[in-house]
Amino acid sequence: SQQGEEDPQALSIQEGENATMNCSYKTSINNLQWYRQNSGRGLVHLILIRSNEREKHSGRLRVTLDTSKKSSSLLITASRAADTASYFCATAGIKAAGNKLTFGGGTRVLVKP
Amino acid sequence: EAGVTQSPTHLIKTRGQQATLRCSPISGHTSVYWYQQALGLGLQFLLWYDEGEERNRGNFPPRFSGRQFPNYSSELNVNALELEDSALYLCASSFINPSEQYFGPGTRLTVT
Repeated sequence: SQQGEEDPQALSIQEGENATMNCSYKTSINNLQWYRQNSGRGLVHLILIRSNEREKHSGRLRVTLDTSKKSSSLLITASRAADTASYFCATAGIKAAGNKLTFGGGTRVLVKP
Repeated sequence: EAGVTQSPTHLIKTRGQQATLRCSPISGHTSVYWYQQALGLGLQFLLWYDEGEERNRGNFPPRFSGRQFPNYSSELNVNALELEDSALYLCASSFINPSEQYFGPGTRLTVT
């Protein structure tokens, strides 16, 4: 079953604009991660935010985490055509249920040049 | 540093056959995870191996199995293939922080 639900399912923006996507989850977590997937290939690890962190930055990426609302957001600033991909959030539970990651359904981002 | 590698890139099998997928983790990583990404079903956890032992498995039938070798590489075996096994199979590895997993490029399995 999917732990996270991502919103929106698809996003189309112009190059240079910002892209924001959200992830909600159901159970308590140890941390939350965001991954990018290009054209149905492997997942690229973008950023990990721990449950005791509220915001984290990495280059043009900004991630927030609100554990009271069980939600996270990923902001990509000044988007580029190369950012076109699917973005997934993944959670690892407090009990680390066998170390598995539980993924959301993903947001498909299209950045138009 | 080399990332997680998987082979083959593509695999085409017919229903009832067996498929073997291979994964080599990042050097120094001892845990290997397998995930299935089937159309419409999202990314689903399959198996976790650490130090040669199966530590956890997802909600998949026993015909999905695997093993981890002394060099920490891993195989995923799928027996009695069914059409719905067609999917992208992703392998990931981790070391210190078990939940910080790094993924390979995947093997696309097509069952006809």
